[in-house]
Amino acid sequence: EIVMTQSPATLSVSPGERATLSCRASQSVSSNLAWYQQKPGQAPRLLIYGASTRATGIPARFSGSGSGTEFTLTISSLQSGDFAVYYCQQYNNWPPLTFGGGTKVEIK
Amino acid sequence: QVQLVESGGGLVKPGGSLRLSCAASGFTFGDYYMSWIRQAPGKGLEWVSYISSSASTIYYADSVKGRFTISRDNPKNSLYLQMNSLRAEDSAVYYCARLLVRAFDIWGQGTMVTVSS
Repeated sequence: EIVMTQSPATLSVSPGERATLSCRASQSVSSNLAWYQQKPGQAPRLLIYGASTRATGIPARFSGSGSGTEFTLTISSLQSGDFAVYYCQQYNNWPPLTFGGGTKVEIK
Repeated sequence: QVQLVESGGGLVKPGGSLRLSCAASGFTFGDYYMSWIRQAPGKGLEWVSYISSSASTIYYADSVKGRFTISRDNPKNSLYLQMNSLRAEDSAVYYCARLLVRAFDIWGQGTMVTVSS
């Protein structure tokens, strides 16, 4: 099973600043990685798939990069609606499909 | 619009059974692979099960294998999860989700399952 590790667990950022979230895989997942955003009481929303392709309707301030075992989600200028928990998920070697433990982006 | 709506959650005693349903609308359900994913209170996401568009391929997480059964009815645009021998650790919000290139692009709002005596 591929283990996905996200860091940091919590990221404190001021509105308008850049946020950089990391996701590491225990073995290579090529570019088969997705990112999700989840707000309290809501279902997750797909942001990025294929490591760097934005899903439909996702603003350009969200960008994904990386391949192999190291991945980054960057939010270029945080807006109030971006404070949420973010999860990465690999779909290269499965089953099982595995998620990281999440990074909470909070207001500084 | 594209939508998934889960139902069937509730309170059940350990060892009991529950059947979750997921109603799809706004897209050709039979063209898509589907999954169930769960989230225990205050915890992260855990993939539970996968079913291909024709139901020819099915996978389960080890934690539910032998107890849960995924199925689908394409003419009824519906996905199901039969959960037997439920345990306290199965308590979670259960989401159905559509797969796009093995990423989950559409999620339902979730249905809560609580296993407690």
